[in-house]
Amino acid sequence: EVQLVESGGGLVQPGRSLRLSCTASGFTFGDYAMSWFRQAPGKGLEWVSFIRSKAYGGTTDFAASVKGRFTISRDDSKSIAYLQMNSLKTEDTAVYYCTRGIAIFGVVYYYYMDVWGKGTTVTVSS
Amino acid sequence: EVVMTQSPATLSVSPGERATLSCRASQSVSINLAWYQQKPGQAPRLLIYGASTRATGIPARFSGSGSGTEFTLTISSLQSEDFAVYYCQQYNNWPLTFGGGTKVEIQ
Repeated sequence: EVQLVESGGGLVQPGRSLRLSCTASGFTFGDYAMSWFRQAPGKGLEWVSFIRSKAYGGTTDFAASVKGRFTISRDDSKSIAYLQMNSLKTEDTAVYYCTRGIAIFGVVYYYYMDVWGKGTTVTVSS
Repeated sequence: EVVMTQSPATLSVSPGERATLSCRASQSVSINLAWYQQKPGQAPRLLIYGASTRATGIPARFSGSGSGTEFTLTISSLQSEDFAVYYCQQYNNWPLTFGGGTKVEIQ
């Protein structure tokens, strides 16, 4: 069974850091792009960050709201994706979801997210 | 950034009836459009990708259509388990963006 399990969430003060992990199972992790999304309490979904597989350069993208504060990385040997969150703000409070990205070639490569983890809650508050 | 607008915000439907949800993009996203279902306290679940292709395990009562800037998700005969919030999301351009969601509730 394909599965993604997020961990590392919790309560943190503004300005501090937190690292989220996404542990994958049931598929060849290194073959897929991975992404993080979030959902603030009572709000809609927001894309946060994305990392391509090594075969596609392993490059990354970030939402403007987190660029320069968050980094994304992957350890294919452990089937884990990470989201390092620095300089956290109260508006980063949300449930964070890890997803698997499927590449489709068109004019360029496009990615849709087919599998989602159950999420981990991050609360930024003093 | 591509702005996605969903309508209506809330749709009240009786079980067994048809539900039609709309999603509009501020610029063309070709067919790079996905639909997700989210129930309270749960993660989103992929229903449709490529504007009209059902994801693995999704019942045939769910169908998607459209291209460019106008998209539709149709649920042909609502079952009790279909009452949820539905989001459209474009993956044609970065950043990836979602519509605000349509809540399908029991009439």
